[in-house]
Amino acid sequence: DAGITQSPRHKVTETGTPVTLRCHQTENHRYMYWYRQDPGHGLRLIHYSYGVKDTDKGEVSDGYSVSRSKTEDFLLTLESATSSQTSVYFCAIRTTGPSTEAFFGQGTRLTVV
Amino acid sequence: AQKVTQAQTEISVVEKEDVTLDCVYETRDTTYYLFWYKQPPSGELVFLIRRNSFDEQNEISGRYSWNFQKSTSSFNFTITASQVVDSAVYFCALSEAGNSGYALNFGKGTSLLVTP
Repeated sequence: DAGITQSPRHKVTETGTPVTLRCHQTENHRYMYWYRQDPGHGLRLIHYSYGVKDTDKGEVSDGYSVSRSKTEDFLLTLESATSSQTSVYFCAIRTTGPSTEAFFGQGTRLTVV
Repeated sequence: AQKVTQAQTEISVVEKEDVTLDCVYETRDTTYYLFWYKQPPSGELVFLIRRNSFDEQNEISGRYSWNFQKSTSSFNFTITASQVVDSAVYFCALSEAGNSGYALNFGKGTSLLVTP
């Protein structure tokens, strides 16, 4: 739905290494989001974007940064991965208007060892 | 503070039973949106429904129905005649106008298991 592609789909990395996850959309939606999903916590907002170069922090932003240099791409970076960042990461877009909807990418499973 | 509460962590039913998943939300906004998503064992998040705060009509879609009651801040989801394929985790979410770029604030989910 909404042409959302996340890459990579799976990644194992070592503690202390930088990691970048990519979210790509094909329909020029203004709002994009990064969430993480952990057992017992549901989905929690990490960062969001409301346009090119317009980003802001969510509930669990510590240890993460984002960038959006083009409408279609929203990057999530873990500058120095820690084991607590082992999680499933979801990207989402939000359509605007009274019939607004929110669609999610397929998720990226990240394991930090 | 938790804005969306899904008090039922796990529910187990036998096929063909009806089941209701509860969702209670908290907001001070007069304009907001409520969502339900399904997450099957394969892991993707499937959009089920969105309700606007100014539209309190209940909705039915096949075996699924939703009861939105502003008076009790609830947006409950009922599956009629449940099937094994309904087994999944279901999330309720709240989006408040102008808050965090209209981001969705999720409940912790209810895991539904439907057995034959």
